[in-house]
Amino acid sequence: DTGVSQNPRHKITKRGQNVTFRCDPISEHNRLYWYRQTLGQGPEFLTYFQNEAQLEKSRLLSDRFSAERPKGSFSTLEIQRTEQGDSAMYLCASSSHTTGSTEAFFGQGTRLTVV
Amino acid sequence: DQQVKQNSPSLSVQEGRISILNCDYTNSMFDYFLWYKKYPAEGPTFLISISSIKDKNEDGRFTVFLNKSAKHLSLHIVPSQPGDSAVYFCAASAFGTYKYIFGTGTRLKVLA
Repeated sequence: DTGVSQNPRHKITKRGQNVTFRCDPISEHNRLYWYRQTLGQGPEFLTYFQNEAQLEKSRLLSDRFSAERPKGSFSTLEIQRTEQGDSAMYLCASSSHTTGSTEAFFGQGTRLTVV
Repeated sequence: DQQVKQNSPSLSVQEGRISILNCDYTNSMFDYFLWYKKYPAEGPTFLISISSIKDKNEDGRFTVFLNKSAKHLSLHIVPSQPGDSAVYFCAASAFGTYKYIFGTGTRLKVLA
């Protein structure tokens, strides 16, 4: 296992289009997180899953955003009717509940540009 | 409300010297703290963490110090190497939650 994998790495879309990103976590990790990072800021929490259950959502996650983790494996983050303000790096991370440590390991991110 | 603050946006250090990166927090419920390193166009890489029951944790050239009364933590890198040049983020989480609150980062430049 080479770590958390995110696809695509880059996405350019026109305003109003829908986009979907995929995250494949480290295989034995049961927790999966989505964060968003804009220029000059640290990553901001969006949502997190334990197995297939979405346990917490940030108020940053408007109705246009939806995340799923079917079967507790990979996850998708969809943004509907994209706006220019959605342009950011979208980061996925995973961690294990069972190892006793809680550090999360991040993927390389998907950079979204809305034009 | 910025609960985790990194007040120094940038820091330059000579190779071989010590780098000290600082982080302050306001939420007394935070009990787990982490440092991540980030290179351009990559995701953050975990460096070191510390639980609130400790005041120091070491891993090779990296040491994190936690001062709970001051709500302050610091990352020491000794000796600093040019490959350490990156943006360093401090992060914190509260007991019973699994989300991290990140600071805005400090850009470290190690000069050869």
